[in-house]
Amino acid sequence: AQSVTQPDIHITVSEGASLELRCNYSYGATPYLFWYVQSPGQGLQLLLKYFSGDTLVQGIKGFEAEFKRSQSSFNLRKPSVHWSDAAEYFCAKKTDSWGKFQFGAGTQVVVTP
Amino acid sequence: SQTIHQWPATLVQPVGSPLSLECTVEGTSNPNLYWYRQAAGRGLQLLFYSVGIGQISSEVPQNLSASRPQDRQFILSSKKLLLSDSGFYLCAWGPPGGPSEQYFGPGTRLTVT
Repeated sequence: AQSVTQPDIHITVSEGASLELRCNYSYGATPYLFWYVQSPGQGLQLLLKYFSGDTLVQGIKGFEAEFKRSQSSFNLRKPSVHWSDAAEYFCAKKTDSWGKFQFGAGTQVVVTP
Repeated sequence: SQTIHQWPATLVQPVGSPLSLECTVEGTSNPNLYWYRQAAGRGLQLLFYSVGIGQISSEVPQNLSASRPQDRQFILSSKKLLLSDSGFYLCAWGPPGGPSEQYFGPGTRLTVT
């Protein structure tokens, strides 16, 4: 079965510091990959997506992600976090032609002053 | 532009009572539609998806059901709620065919007492 793994359940980062969230996936030579962010009590907002082409993709809110086929990874990064980046982040992979997704368990990001 | 609505935003229901959650999408045609449940501190579980009117696929056997009476309307129902049905219910839509992202609604917080 296809899987998406986010190894870090919880990350604490200082405001202004860099952030990297890890995501590993299984199965698929050319996966369709996504990162979403969820604030408490809200729906999920799409940050960025990778379908093909340039392996470094830019998203909203200053986020970027790099697809590495050799490592089956799609890590999310931000050079300098803001207090408003405190949220839960989900990595996802499209799993079939009907558009179903497999989501990772999420990483909770806490931003300290 | 496309928008997705869910209602109600919050709901408190006693065990054994019926349930009806509604999701509607505006600004697109023939979307793929999805219902997810997010239990406290856990990731997203796909419950149902639909690729067309009257077509429903169930991912997890349970006492919930879904219907799609119109192209852009997706309803989640139950005849008798269980305590375990408590959670945050998210509706999402995606363009039909090809690689595509999903866009999420604001969610419904359901508490079964």
